[in-house]
Amino acid sequence: EAGVAQSPRYKIIEKRQSVAFWCNPISGHATLYWYQQILGQGPKLLIQFQNNGVVDDSQLPKDRFSAERLKGVDSTLKIQPAKLEDSAVYLCASSLGDQPQHFGDGTRLSIL
Amino acid sequence: KNQVEQSPQSLIILEGKNCTLQCNYTVSPFSNLRWYKQDTGRGPVSLTIMTFSENTKSNGRYTATLDADTKQSSLHITASQLSDSASYICVVSAMSNYQLIWGAGTKLIIKP
Repeated sequence: EAGVAQSPRYKIIEKRQSVAFWCNPISGHATLYWYQQILGQGPKLLIQFQNNGVVDDSQLPKDRFSAERLKGVDSTLKIQPAKLEDSAVYLCASSLGDQPQHFGDGTRLSIL
Repeated sequence: KNQVEQSPQSLIILEGKNCTLQCNYTVSPFSNLRWYKQDTGRGPVSLTIMTFSENTKSNGRYTATLDADTKQSSLHITASQLSDSASYICVVSAMSNYQLIWGAGTKLIIKP
């Protein structure tokens, strides 16, 4: 079974620029998650989708972050404008029912 | 406040030795507890998942224990190998909203 695919793997931008990440979950997984992981910390949930509806976005900084999951499959996460503190790894995960989440390898974002 | 605390923060052991990682949580009401392994530059991978009624679960050389009364869990690694070098993250699910509370992880380094 193919895993969760994320792109790009690395991204370097200057502060105040915009950036977008893409995620393709495992086929058939209804639930999709975006996490932010700062170095030395555990992942922090940004947003959770069930099919193409948002289940939890309580920790998403909505003034600069946005996410969508068109047709309940692929998803994109956007940051506009980026701040220095957004430097982190952005992980996408998917799951089926109450089974453990499967993670992609993430996008490492560096803000200059 | 729902929290997950892990100790030690980091650990260095020699190849072939055993080690035990600790996880204490204050999540209530409790649903389940998961241990994930995260290799450097990769996404987390699920090792074990335990519900309230389970007090031990094994996955090869990894054995997780759960004491729901004291709200403690441990992950024991037997006969460590160089490939065990990674961060190990404890994650607790709250039954009320199935929110996942992530620990900061223990960084384990295995030296030859």
